[in-house]
Amino acid sequence: DTEVTQTPKHLVMGMTNKKSLKCEQHMGHRAMYWYKQKAKKPPELMFVYSYEKLSINESVPSRFSPECPNSSLLNLHLHALQPEDSALYLCASTDTGSKNIQYFGAGTRLSVL
Amino acid sequence: AQTVTQSQPEMSVQEAETVTLSCTYDTSESDYYLFWYKQPPSRQMILVIRQEAYKQQNATENRFSVNFQKAAKSFSLKISDSQLGDAAMYFCAYRRGNFNKFYFGSGTKLNVKP
Repeated sequence: DTEVTQTPKHLVMGMTNKKSLKCEQHMGHRAMYWYKQKAKKPPELMFVYSYEKLSINESVPSRFSPECPNSSLLNLHLHALQPEDSALYLCASTDTGSKNIQYFGAGTRLSVL
Repeated sequence: AQTVTQSQPEMSVQEAETVTLSCTYDTSESDYYLFWYKQPPSRQMILVIRQEAYKQQNATENRFSVNFQKAAKSFSLKISDSQLGDAAMYFCAYRRGNFNKFYFGSGTKLNVKP
């Protein structure tokens, strides 16, 4: 099983809403990531959790708040977003063994109105 | 700082032909990994092939192979017998040792013509 599952697949929210994106993996990976991706661009790293602790925060605005409740789950809480935050949000996890491969979820396509 | 450069924003290939996508990277490290990822339109990013820097032998996965030139810091992807399903954005990526951060190139959009 090499699956990273993200929900929801699509999300439309207003600038005053609060919503959450969810990500789950059962591969035993201990590093989990949130990326933001605009059309035809590479993924931009937002956050990395390693062993359930936040290890990298790429100076992301505080309206994005990550949470790692356990080794299988990763959430991204959204509040007071701006229209420019509309993008595909990708979750990923990494095999910390010998292969060092990053596995991606299918993403949540977010539209902020 | 690690950087990954893909100099071809878009390429086209005829079905059944061979195409090579270019990638160069900048690092002073000796322990690192290189990857090619494929992202079809509106679909999931998946791993195509990976290469460990300490291995001299070029990685191959069926129709996909790499030309890894360590001294030149070059990591190109060759796709043989191109198929319509190969049409996608291709991203080259670098990871230093066991550090968690991956560095991605800007991507190459591959079109496959029937």
